[in-house]
Amino acid sequence: GNSVTQMEGPVTLSEEAFLTINCTYTATGYPSLFWYVQYPGEGLQLLLKATKADDKGSNKGFEATYRKETTSFHLEKGSVQVSDSAVYFCALWNYGQNFVFGPGTRLSVLP
Amino acid sequence: NAGVMQNPRHLVRRRGQEARLRCSPMKGHSHVYWYRQLPEEGLKFMVYLQKENIIDESGMPKERFSAEFPKEGPSILRIQQVVRGDSAAYFCASSRGQGLNEKLFFGSGTQLSVL
Repeated sequence: GNSVTQMEGPVTLSEEAFLTINCTYTATGYPSLFWYVQYPGEGLQLLLKATKADDKGSNKGFEATYRKETTSFHLEKGSVQVSDSAVYFCALWNYGQNFVFGPGTRLSVLP
Repeated sequence: NAGVMQNPRHLVRRRGQEARLRCSPMKGHSHVYWYRQLPEEGLKFMVYLQKENIIDESGMPKERFSAEFPKEGPSILRIQQVVRGDSAAYFCASSRGQGLNEKLFFGSGTQLSVL
């Protein structure tokens, strides 16, 4: 079946540091890939997505590239802010199936 | 344009009672997904419904849990005879359909506490 693996958290960084959160997936066919973010006490919000190989999703300074050869969709940001502190979920979706989420990675950014 | 609406926001039940969680999808959305999130854990898929039909319930416990999405009205996740282990945040999400550019929109969740 489909599955998503993310790097274990928590991740603690200083403000303006570079962020990478690894995500790899297992799926049949050509899934769409997503990153969702969850701020404390809230539901998940879509951060970015990519629907085919070599697509790059980007939003709010975050980027992720759909790499079919390595089945990866790593999240990156060049300079994190305290307001980026949240839990980040990698997810995939295949036609006719439900969305599958990774376990989430908690990011804490210190001033 | 209202987002996905879940109520109640917080629900307290005693062991053995029933819990009913409601989810109104975004306008125009006919696909609903329920997820459970335990403290410090990720999202666990429970059930995927499309109007009046259960498409995938592979994540639902076989006992005490049921879900519906009637033709009119919100989707309901029902937990009978709740136990302490049911305490969690339950999130509902909706999508318009199953097209290539589909996105999932989440509600703010219902925090269930079982005393």
